[in-house]
Amino acid sequence: GAVVSQHPSRVICKSGTSVKIECRSLDFQATTMFWYRQFPKQSLMLMATSNEGSKATYEQGVEKDKFLINHASLTLSTLTVTSAHPEDSSFYICSASGTSGGAWETQYFGPGTRLLVL
Amino acid sequence: GENVEQHPSTLSVQEGDSAVIKCTYSDSASNYFPWYKQELGKGPQLIIDIRSNVGEKKDQRIAVTLNKTAKHFSLHITETQPEDSAVYFCAASYFGGSQGNLIFGKGTKLSVKP
Repeated sequence: GAVVSQHPSRVICKSGTSVKIECRSLDFQATTMFWYRQFPKQSLMLMATSNEGSKATYEQGVEKDKFLINHASLTLSTLTVTSAHPEDSSFYICSASGTSGGAWETQYFGPGTRLLVL
Repeated sequence: GENVEQHPSTLSVQEGDSAVIKCTYSDSASNYFPWYKQELGKGPQLIIDIRSNVGEKKDQRIAVTLNKTAKHFSLHITETQPEDSAVYFCAASYFGGSQGNLIFGKGTKLSVKP
């Protein structure tokens, strides 16, 4: 149980285009989803937290107009990187927490999406 | 806010030996401490977690200990195997009726030599 998927796993795009990444909780209802960014050999950096049906809460320094987050259902959240630039190239990981086995505080992570902006 | 320090940053052990990774946290209100294993190019995988009302938890070759007074917790892996090689992250959080954010350590790269 507690499986989180992400799609796509890898994406290459041209500078200036927008990229959408999907995060799905496959076997539980995710009341809260999180989006992280990870640079090589570094820890996870929280970008934003979203609750189903509410606006996302962004961490300091993260541009909400640049990284659009939608959490429209209890099983799906999307991150859209708008007008992507090479500096946006990174590993994006989502996580979800909810009511899996009563351990609502546990975050389960997706496999990540590698974004490369040319 | 919470701050989590993790040591060592790299750890190399021989297959069959034990490995210990230590973390300290700053916020005494933190009450949930998970450990994640991340293999190259993959997302973190929860391997064990502990809540503040418990001092130790064990799952086969993996154990976690928590010292609330000293504000530190440790991951112990016994009988290490090459497939244990990965980056391990500790984290701390506070849950008081709503979802809290995880604060991660910087990670420990564990290498198990056959």
